[in-house]
Amino acid sequence: EIVMTQSPATLSVSPGERVTLSCRASQSISNNLAWYQHKPGQAHRLLIYGAFTRATGVPARFSGSGSGTEFTLTISSLQSEDFAVYYCQQYNTWPPITFGQGTRLEIK
Amino acid sequence: QVQLVQSGGGVVQPGRSVRLSCAVSGVTFSAYGMHWVRQAPGKGLEWVAFISYDESNKYYSDSVKGRFTISRDNSKNTLFLQMNSLRPEDTAAYYCAKDNSYYSSGSLDYWGQGTLVTVSS
Repeated sequence: EIVMTQSPATLSVSPGERVTLSCRASQSISNNLAWYQHKPGQAHRLLIYGAFTRATGVPARFSGSGSGTEFTLTISSLQSEDFAVYYCQQYNTWPPITFGQGTRLEIK
Repeated sequence: QVQLVQSGGGVVQPGRSVRLSCAVSGVTFSAYGMHWVRQAPGKGLEWVAFISYDESNKYYSDSVKGRFTISRDNSKNTLFLQMNSLRPEDTAAYYCAKDNSYYSSGSLDYWGQGTLVTVSS
């Protein structure tokens, strides 16, 4: 099973800041990585798949990069609606599909 | 727009059964694989099961294999998860999710709102 590790667990940032979230895979997953956003009471939202392809309707301030074992999600200028929990997920080798533990973005 | 509306769940005693449903609209349900994912209180997301568009392939996590059964009714655009022999560690919010591609890549582009299953005596 591929283990996904996200860092940091929590990030306190101010609106307008640029933020980078990290995700590491325990073995190479090529570019078969997705990022999701989750807000309380809402459905999870696919942001990025294929490591860097934005899903339909996702604003351009969200960008993904990386391949192999190291990946990042960058939000270029944080908006109030971006404060949420972010998960990475590998789908290179499944079953099982595996997720990171999540990074919570909090308002500073 | 694509919608996944979940039902079922609730409080159930250990060893008992429950069935979850996920009604899908706004997309050709019969063309896509579907998944179940869960999140226990205070824990991360755990993938549970997958079913291909035509039910020819079904996969399960080791933690539920032999106890849970995923199925679908393409005539009713509905996904199911039959959960038997429930354990306290199965307590979680359960989410249905649609695969992002026709060939079931494993990325999940639409999710249900979740339904809580609590296993307790």
